[in-house]
Amino acid sequence: DVKVTQSSRYLVKRTGEKVFLECVQDMDHENMFWYRQDPGLGLRLIYFSYDVKMKEKGDIPEGYSVSREKKERFSLILESASTNQTSMYLCAIHEAGANEQFFGPGTRLTVL
Amino acid sequence: QKEVEQDPGPLSVPEGAIVSLNCTYSNSAFQYFMWYRQYSRKGPELLMYTYSSGNKEDGRFTAQVDKSSKYISLFIRDSQPSDSATYLCAMGRSYNTDKLIFGTGTRLQVFP
Repeated sequence: DVKVTQSSRYLVKRTGEKVFLECVQDMDHENMFWYRQDPGLGLRLIYFSYDVKMKEKGDIPEGYSVSREKKERFSLILESASTNQTSMYLCAIHEAGANEQFFGPGTRLTVL
Repeated sequence: QKEVEQDPGPLSVPEGAIVSLNCTYSNSAFQYFMWYRQYSRKGPELLMYTYSSGNKEDGRFTAQVDKSSKYISLFIRDSQPSDSATYLCAMGRSYNTDKLIFGTGTRLQVFP
C-alpha cells in the first residue's frame, strides 16, 4: 500500500511566522503535489514537483514556496504566514503509469 | 464558469437508499474520471476510476460517465451510515496526466 505521511495533523501559528509543512512518501514516485482545501472552494493546487529539485506552480502559488531536496520528501513553506492561509493542506503523490493520486491525512493549519 | 461543478449538499438519506452524486464539466478534453471519498478530518481516498464514457461497478458503487453530456455520476446502492462522507469528483486530461481538476465535493449523510 502506498503511504503518504504529513508531519503534523494540526498546527497553530501566528501571523508573520515562517511555517514548514512536510510530506513524505514511502514509494519511489516522482510526482508530488500540495493542495489546500477550503469549504466551497474544493481542492486547489498550490505547487507540484516532477522530480528532485524540480517544481511547478499550481493555481494558487502566491505566498507559498516549496522544496524537494530528496525524492521522498516534498516541503511546503509559508514564508510569512497570514490569516488567509488558515486551511487544510493536503499532500498527494501520483503513481506513474496511472492516473490515481494518493493523499496524505492532511494538516489543518490555523494562523492567528 | 468553473471547469468542474459539483453540488455541495448536504445530501441526507436513510440507510438502504440509493444515492446519486453528480458532477458536470466544461472541458471536453477530460478523459479520466475519478471519485474520491473523504471522511471528516482525513485525506481523500480513491474510490472509483473510469476512462472515457461508460459504466464501472465495484460492489455497491457504480460510476457512470457520459462524455456527450459532460456529466459523471456515482451511484451508491444500499447506502450505509459508514458511507457518510464528502465525495469529490476529479478529472484528468490525458493518460499519466499529473494535474487533476477536482469538484468542490458533496457531503453525504446516511442516517440509520
